[in-house]
Amino acid sequence: NAGVTQTPKFQVLKTGQSMTLQCAQDMNHNSMYWYRQDPGMGLRLIYYSASEGTTDKGEVPNGYNVSRLNKREFSLRLESAAPSQTSVYFCASRLQGLGTEAFFGQGTRLTVV
Amino acid sequence: QKEVEQDPGPLSVPEGAIVSLNCTYSNSAFQYFMWYRQYSRKGPELLMYTYSSGNKEDGRFTAQVDKSSKYISLFIRDSQPSDSATYLCAMSPFNNDMRFGAGTRLTVKP
Repeated sequence: NAGVTQTPKFQVLKTGQSMTLQCAQDMNHNSMYWYRQDPGMGLRLIYYSASEGTTDKGEVPNGYNVSRLNKREFSLRLESAAPSQTSVYFCASRLQGLGTEAFFGQGTRLTVV
Repeated sequence: QKEVEQDPGPLSVPEGAIVSLNCTYSNSAFQYFMWYRQYSRKGPELLMYTYSSGNKEDGRFTAQVDKSSKYISLFIRDSQPSDSATYLCAMSPFNNDMRFGAGTRLTVKP
């Protein structure tokens, strides 16, 4: 049982390049999330998807797009990377309902130079 | 003002001490309150979960929620070096997004 799998684990981009961060979960969860984590800022929500076919903006959506490809996969795209997007990105999934736990992936460390 | 405020620390205590971690929030819609523990270079893992005001105990850990004051706490009794990690509070309105605090970095010294 892999849980939440993120790829890649590390990435270095040049300013202006694009890339897609991949996330897949095998727990049949309804909801999936993308967060970024910066020192002193905690986890900030970028986008979330409450169910397949729906996505909603979080606190810091600017510069990002997402796709909920199917129930298992939720990708995050940076169309034109900026140094301010240097961060650690976490994907999480959660089964909707009272008392449900969110499971996190191992994170993607992204550096934009 | 952030929706969830948490002192980032760092906090350093001797082994065996009682640790108190706190968060305040401003959004009255938050219904579910969670504490996650994050070890270095790992993803967060759920530690405790509470709904509504009151206390919840699990071994050495106690979570408290005071919705009237918009204040939540996590207490760790008999702290151990293995408790050294970053502790993040998280809150959620009814089954929607989760909002996290900045995280408090805790070190328990042997």
